[in-house]
Amino acid sequence: DIVMTQTPLSSPVALGQPASISCRSSQSLVHSDGNTYLSWLHQRPGQPPRVLIYKISNRFSGVPDRFSGSGAGTDFTLKISRVEAEDVGVYYCMQATQFPRSFGQGTKLEI
Amino acid sequence: EVQLVESGGDLVQPGGSLRLSCAASGFTFSSYWMHWVRQAPGKGLVWVSLINSDGSSAYYADSVKGRFTISRDNAKNMLYLQMNSLRADDTAFYFCARAESGSYSSWGQGTLVTVSS
Repeated sequence: DIVMTQTPLSSPVALGQPASISCRSSQSLVHSDGNTYLSWLHQRPGQPPRVLIYKISNRFSGVPDRFSGSGAGTDFTLKISRVEAEDVGVYYCMQATQFPRSFGQGTKLEI
Repeated sequence: EVQLVESGGDLVQPGGSLRLSCAASGFTFSSYWMHWVRQAPGKGLVWVSLINSDGSSAYYADSVKGRFTISRDNAKNMLYLQMNSLRADDTAFYFCARAESGSYSSWGQGTLVTVSS
């Protein structure tokens, strides 16, 4: 099974400042079809998660462009260029390259 | 508008059974793979199961294999999770989610399953 490890687990950040979250997988996430199925999700308190980024760097519909994803193979990063108040919550990376699907432990973003 | 609405969560004794439902609307349900993901209160996300678009294939996390069964009724736009031999560590919010582009493009609000005597 692929283990997803996020760092940091908690990230205090000031409004307007950048933030960065790392995610490392225990195996390469490159699928046999050539795609890398690494996505980033955001969950606000009391809400279901919502997808921000899919296939490493593609922003989902309606996601602000202050969110960006990068990486390859086993190392990936989510960056927020300027944190806004609505960005608080927990961020998860997730792999859909292999079964079972797996998530990182979550990174709590605090203002 | 895409909507996923879970139901069926309840308090159940260890060893008991429960069936969760997820009503889908606003999209062509039969075209999408669907998943169940759970989250224990205050904890992280854990993948549970998925079913392909026509219901012919299903996959399960090792922790639920042999106890849980995922199914769907495309004529009714419904997704199900039959949960048997429930254990305390199955206590969680259960979300249904629509799979798209290697992620989950839509989620329900979740339904709470509590396993306790």
